[in-house]
Amino acid sequence: SAVISQKPSRDICQRGTSLTIQCQVDSQVTMMFWYRQQPGQSLTLIATANQGSEATYESGFVIDKFPISRPNLTFSTLTVSNMSPEDSSIYLCSANGQGGPRDEQFFGPGTRLTVL
Amino acid sequence: GENVEQHPSTLSVQEGDSAVIKCTYSDSASNYFPWYKQELGKRPQLIIDIRSNVGEKKDQRIAVTLNKTAKHFSLHITETQPEDSAVYFCAANPGGSYIPTFGRGTSLIVHP
Repeated sequence: SAVISQKPSRDICQRGTSLTIQCQVDSQVTMMFWYRQQPGQSLTLIATANQGSEATYESGFVIDKFPISRPNLTFSTLTVSNMSPEDSSIYLCSANGQGGPRDEQFFGPGTRLTVL
Repeated sequence: GENVEQHPSTLSVQEGDSAVIKCTYSDSASNYFPWYKQELGKRPQLIIDIRSNVGEKKDQRIAVTLNKTAKHFSLHITETQPEDSAVYFCAANPGGSYIPTFGRGTSLIVHP
């Protein structure tokens, strides 16, 4: 299984600012994803990070609010822009597909974001 | 799209008892069904999965069953231990997709 790390692990931010979260995988993977998890809730997919092209966003999430980069097969970033308290959540990256697309998905440790 | 329902939302058992969590899915083309365990403050971890060509799979104290006709699958934990306490998520991958649809989660509490 892939080993996934995220930075920062947590942050407290002011309203109106932006935060970029980094996700690093220890091996090349085909697919990377970004999720949001509100306290006590399930996992909500924000977008699929596509290497070399624009991310694919799920309904309710837009590029202006959550710009995503994926410059190579091991790294991705998610920016939460113009933050409001409603953006307070845990943001998780995940990956699958070592050596090709696969079903098994593995998660990073998450970034706990608090917006004041 | 796929819709996954999970029950119960909370399950409380005594140590040593068995625990069963049930999920249903809507897309008959779904072919991969993973289960994740998320301890408090930790990442979701894949604990067991089953594919549509298999009816049951076991790994020590945990097992998963799949009924394709009824479109439901279940997680069974035997001889529960306090360290089994966590939130468990079921998921289903729609046919042709590598992106799972998650259930709402079940909070399992195992009392010593």
